[in-house]
Amino acid sequence: GQQVMQIPQYQHVQEGEDFTTYCNSSTTLSNIQWYKQRPGGHPVFLIQLVKSGEVKKQKRLTFQFGEAKKNSSLHITATQTTDVGTYFCAGTQITDSWGKLQFGAGTQVVVTP
Amino acid sequence: SQTIHQWPATLVQPVGSPLSLECTVEGTSNPNLYWYRQAAGRGLQLLFYSVGIGQISSEVPQNLSASRPQDRQFILSSKKLLLSDSGFYLCAWSGGPLNTEAFFGQGTRLTVV
Repeated sequence: GQQVMQIPQYQHVQEGEDFTTYCNSSTTLSNIQWYKQRPGGHPVFLIQLVKSGEVKKQKRLTFQFGEAKKNSSLHITATQTTDVGTYFCAGTQITDSWGKLQFGAGTQVVVTP
Repeated sequence: SQTIHQWPATLVQPVGSPLSLECTVEGTSNPNLYWYRQAAGRGLQLLFYSVGIGQISSEVPQNLSASRPQDRQFILSSKKLLLSDSGFYLCAWSGGPLNTEAFFGQGTRLTVV
């Protein structure tokens, strides 16, 4: 079954507000990645985190990898209509020597002006 | 640079008909290859992944199969489609355990009628 869980499944945000989506794994991950899928499109890579406790920023997006390397979060500040889409986290289990990616179910973000 | 091609973009097939979706990657060698399925408004379900020619791992039991006849070619097949096979099929590649960032094809929207 799915080992990477993501919450919330849906997120309605007023333009200008902040929100956070969370990703949790039942096992330790060697890395965590985040992808964005625009409506009708395919997932596009945003960022990868590798180190325990790592924090990376891309403009209004802040990504964090937990100390135990089992959870991650994506925080978006001052949401814009261009942030609409589904955000997926994906991880590779530390025990997987082949680097197979397991995706979370995604957080579908709707932005109201 | 690396590119991934997936076709066809859309497909309407009757129940009980066969299926063949093809994915090819250019500009890299020995990639990890993936087939995902995405139901409307849902997450990415990993169907198959491959780390080399003839090496296919199935993640879920179903009436689909995958083959990798060449290093950079990945084919998804079915002998008899079911209504429940409808969905958005995505092929992806990654560089392996040390470089797990995934690059997705444009996807095939399959409707079984």
